[in-house]
Amino acid sequence: QKEVEQNSGPLSVPEGAIASLNCTYSDRGSQSFFWYRQYSGKSPELIMSIYSNGDKEDGRFTAQLNKASQYVSLLIRDSQPSDSATYLCAVQGSGNTPLVFGKGTRLSVIA
Amino acid sequence: ETGVTQSPTHLIKTRGQQVTLRCSSQSGHNTVSWYQQALGQGPQFIFQYYREEENGRGNFPPRFSGLQFPNYSSELNVNALELDDSALYLCASSLPGQNAYGYTFGSGTRLTVV
Repeated sequence: QKEVEQNSGPLSVPEGAIASLNCTYSDRGSQSFFWYRQYSGKSPELIMSIYSNGDKEDGRFTAQLNKASQYVSLLIRDSQPSDSATYLCAVQGSGNTPLVFGKGTRLSVIA
Repeated sequence: ETGVTQSPTHLIKTRGQQVTLRCSSQSGHNTVSWYQQALGQGPQFIFQYYREEENGRGNFPPRFSGLQFPNYSSELNVNALELDDSALYLCASSLPGQNAYGYTFGSGTRLTVV
C-alpha cells in the first residue's frame, strides 16, 4: 500500500513568516513529487513539482526532496493571508501512474 | 480558466440511487483520471481511461464504473449509493504517459448522499 503522510495541522503562522510543510512517502520507486494548494470547496492547484534531490525554488515557494529519507517539504516565505489553504503532497511513480495524495496540511496565516 | 469541465457542480442523491458524473477533457488530452476526495482527506484514485479503455483502477468496488467517449470526454457512474460516497469527485485530463505536471483538474462535482 503506497502511502503519503502529512501532519493535518492546522499550522498557524504570522503574516510574513516562513511556513514549513512536511511530507513522507512509503514507495521508494516514486519518481515525481508535487505540492498542490486547495482552497475550501475548490479543486487542487499545482504549485510546485520536484523530481531530484535538493531544493527547487519558485518565487516564495521552495520544495525540498530527500529520496534517501523519503521526505518532501515545502517552504513558503513571506507568508500571506491568501496562502491560507490546505496543502496536499502527492507522489507518482513512472510516467502516468496514479497520483497518491496525502491527507493535506491546513495552513492558516494570521494577519 | 480550467480547460476541464465537470458537471454537475453539486448534487444530492438518496442512498441506493445511481448517479452519473461527467467530465470533458482539455483539448488534445486523451487520458482522463478520476479521483474521490472525502471531507478532510486527500484525493484517492478511482480509475483512469485512455482511448476509451480503463487503464488502471484504484481500490474501489465494481459499483464505481466509467466510460470514455471518442471525443475523450468521460463519465463516472456510481450504483447503489452509500452515505460514504459523499465526496468531491475530481477528474483530471492529460496526455498519455505524461506525469501529473501535465494534469489539468476540473473544478469537481460535490456529491452528497442522504
